[in-house]
Amino acid sequence: QVQLVQSGAEVKKPGASVKVSCKASGYTFTSYGISWVRQAPGQGLEWMGWISAYNGNTNYAQKLQGRVTMTTDTSTSTAYMELRSLRSDDTAVYYCARENSLLEQQPFDYWGQGTLVTVSS
Amino acid sequence: SSELTQDPAVSVALGQTVRITCQGDSLRSYYASWYQQKPGQAPVLVIYGKNNRPSGIPDRFSGSSSGNTASLTITGAQAEDEADYYCNSRDSSGNLFGGGTKLTVL
Repeated sequence: QVQLVQSGAEVKKPGASVKVSCKASGYTFTSYGISWVRQAPGQGLEWMGWISAYNGNTNYAQKLQGRVTMTTDTSTSTAYMELRSLRSDDTAVYYCARENSLLEQQPFDYWGQGTLVTVSS
Repeated sequence: SSELTQDPAVSVALGQTVRITCQGDSLRSYYASWYQQKPGQAPVLVIYGKNNRPSGIPDRFSGSSSGNTASLTITGAQAEDEADYYCNSRDSSGNLFGGGTKLTVL
């Protein structure tokens, strides 16, 4: 069965960087893209960007351009999201989600369990 | 910039029908997907495309669209449907989520 398993919770100081991993199993990793979505405490979902696991092409949300980098390691079927220059308002649960291009409008059909990133001095 | 607008909260009596709406310019070009999120859990896809349900999603969930508005309808709401619901669509630069609607089943 399809699974996306994310790395554990992180606590970071303002200005630091964090790198969250998302290990995929149960499907051909390079056949689908991965999006990253975050959710601040008590708030809604925010799309951060997308990476093709096939060729590494990326598309980042404009507000995060320059601070976020998404990569993949096809040898381990793992996607990564690195966010730099962390601020307190980056405190959120970060999710990876599989983008299924085989379905109409390419929805996010499987999600990781989420990784809590806390930014605090 | 584009955005998707949802009512913050909606309530429905047990067994009745409820419609959750989502408005935005991107919906004139793209269908919405809908996600259900319960406290402490990851979102779950319930509707995608014109009106498609993933395997395992009850047929009381349906989707529709007209102009700049997408709707998620739950026909015969159950207690387990109480959750936050988010619409999502593509736009010219990527993806958008609505602000979410908290559904209470009375």
